[in-house]
Amino acid sequence: DAKTTQPTSMDCAEGRAANLPCNHSTISGNEYVYWYRQIHSQGPQYIIHGLKNNETNEMASLIITEDRKSSTLILPHATLRDTAVYYCIVRVVAGANNLFFGTGTRLTVIP
Amino acid sequence: DTGVSQDPRHKITKRGQNVTFRCDPISEHNRLYWYRQTLGQGPEFLTYFQNEAQLEKSRLLSDRFSAERPKGSFSTLEIQRTEQGDSAMYLCASSLEGNGYTFGSGTRLTVV
Repeated sequence: DAKTTQPTSMDCAEGRAANLPCNHSTISGNEYVYWYRQIHSQGPQYIIHGLKNNETNEMASLIITEDRKSSTLILPHATLRDTAVYYCIVRVVAGANNLFFGTGTRLTVIP
Repeated sequence: DTGVSQDPRHKITKRGQNVTFRCDPISEHNRLYWYRQTLGQGPEFLTYFQNEAQLEKSRLLSDRFSAERPKGSFSTLEIQRTEQGDSAMYLCASSLEGNGYTFGSGTRLTVV
């Protein structure tokens, strides 16, 4: 699976949009971009995934650049409960047997 | 089904003792994974089962570690002769054919 690069940490004001970037310049054509988050002392939680089109669900939106070398996870109205470590992962759906997490971005939502 | 369950949530053990953790996956999931997470790092893959067969092991899984998944349902991870470096969060996840990857809340091991 291709590797990803994320900023170590970010802050966001409560109620504002949180935009978390991820670079994945070596992504292959059949690899999807997945986002997970991990709230303190819990297991990672799936957020969203996509291949090349932008995706939206009840938690977040995922914007993938046309060349697919980077993406942005958007939390439209960040709350204090969104404070967590966010991991961007690229993988082949149902192919790779494990996920490579890296160190992720620690998002702190500030009141 | 309430998701992936892990037991215990916390374990403190003396160096040299053996410990065993249990994971109950989502019932219809055929794949089960174990990960280890140390402070400030993302989870690292340890091993993976498809049904009852252990198909992949990471180099992180030393000879002191053994995992089983009898009957393809719950799984156990045993660490023999624990060392302080084994202190970590041990996470279990399950999926159906690699889709819908769901994690448990983990077992935090402290070796003193």
